[in-house]
Amino acid sequence: SAVISQKPSRDICQRGTSLTIQCQVDSQVTMMFWYRQQPGQSLTLIATANQGSEATYESGFVIDKFPISRPNLTFSTLTVSNMSPEDSSIYLCSVEQGVIGNEQFFGPGTRLTVL
Amino acid sequence: AQKITQTQPGMFVQEKEAVTLDCTYDTSDQSYGLFWYKQPSSGEMIFLIYQGSYDEQNATEGRYSLNFQKARKSANLVISASQLGDSAMYFCAMREGAGGKLIFGQGTELSVKP
Repeated sequence: SAVISQKPSRDICQRGTSLTIQCQVDSQVTMMFWYRQQPGQSLTLIATANQGSEATYESGFVIDKFPISRPNLTFSTLTVSNMSPEDSSIYLCSVEQGVIGNEQFFGPGTRLTVL
Repeated sequence: AQKITQTQPGMFVQEKEAVTLDCTYDTSDQSYGLFWYKQPSSGEMIFLIYQGSYDEQNATEGRYSLNFQKARKSANLVISASQLGDSAMYFCAMREGAGGKLIFGQGTELSVKP
């Protein structure tokens, strides 16, 4: 399975600032996904990032708030802009890669706290 | 409409016993995939097992097996011989079509007692 790393692993940020989260994969993948997990909640997809095209955002998420870059097939970034305490969450990137059924594997996550 | 339902917010099991975590789903697609993930307190999402809608046999991966009942739209996870390290949140997820986003259930918190 793909080995996925994320930076930073955790951060504490001030309201109104922005944080960029990096996701690196050890092999080339077509689709990368960014999810958010608010405290005590399940995971919700923010957007799908394909290399060479604009990210596709889910309902309730907008590019101005969560700009995404996908410069190549092994790397993506998610920026959380103009943060508020409601943005405190775990942010996870994932990729599809599998022999059987395109299993989806996740990075270790970035635990963000906004004060 | 909720597409993935996990009705057990919390479950307890004795060490070395088997436990079943429930998951039901709703889709009109003929092609879909069902996933189970484990999330320990560290927050990482660990892939456990996958079942495709066209798979005729239930998926198994070591101590994990998926009880797939297509007509009932259920995909329950069975963990055999529970270990203390199995204590975690467990999420069921579905993907409609061949690839793309996952829709997650609300999760079940499993606690394994010594």
